[in-house]
Amino acid sequence: SQTIHQWPATLVQPVGSPLSLECTVEGTSNPNLYWYRQAAGRGLQLLFYSVGIGQISSEVPQNLSASRPQDRQFILSSKKLLLSDSGFYLCAAGEGNIQYFGAGTRLSVL
Amino acid sequence: GQQLNQSPQSMFIQEGEDVSMNCTSSSIFNTWLWYKQDPGEGPVLLIALYKAGELTSNGRLTAQFGITRKDSFLNISASIPSDVGIYFCAGRTYGGATNKLIFGTGTLLAVQP
Repeated sequence: SQTIHQWPATLVQPVGSPLSLECTVEGTSNPNLYWYRQAAGRGLQLLFYSVGIGQISSEVPQNLSASRPQDRQFILSSKKLLLSDSGFYLCAAGEGNIQYFGAGTRLSVL
Repeated sequence: GQQLNQSPQSMFIQEGEDVSMNCTSSSIFNTWLWYKQDPGEGPVLLIALYKAGELTSNGRLTAQFGITRKDSFLNISASIPSDVGIYFCAGRTYGGATNKLIFGTGTLLAVQP
């Protein structure tokens, strides 16, 4: 299995400020990596996924971007946060048909 | 994106009761997964199913991969307060992207001691 580390656990940011959320993974090498957002309505929305270093696929048009500078590092960023970026952000790593999740980051944009 | 139909949306039960929830899809799946999410935490994998008809248990939890390959259910027997949380089904379709899962909308479980 994979162990996923996410930080920070909670973050409060003003509108228009930049964002950087980091995720690191312990386990098998070259995992597929994912960023999800979970709104209060509970559903998980896939934002980005990566099958390798420097390879990023975006699932939905949005104010966010992702990068994978190292095999086990996945970063979610924004240059200017919007109120609508508030939510619970989850990083996941894939192993076969299974995905393992981090503990999440609660982002509040005020 | 595509989501699975998961029901019920929420359940409020007494401690000791059994619980049943299910997911259905219009597509055939080759993998079904069940996750539990505690408040403020990430989802944790409970059970993984890979073959039609497969029945797998994990303690008081039992899940089955439907024969039609379009559904799955999760049962919890003799519920306890720590079973509280949101339960998600997830799966991968035949012919679908090999690196993506489709998630259900979740079942919120509340257990009254």
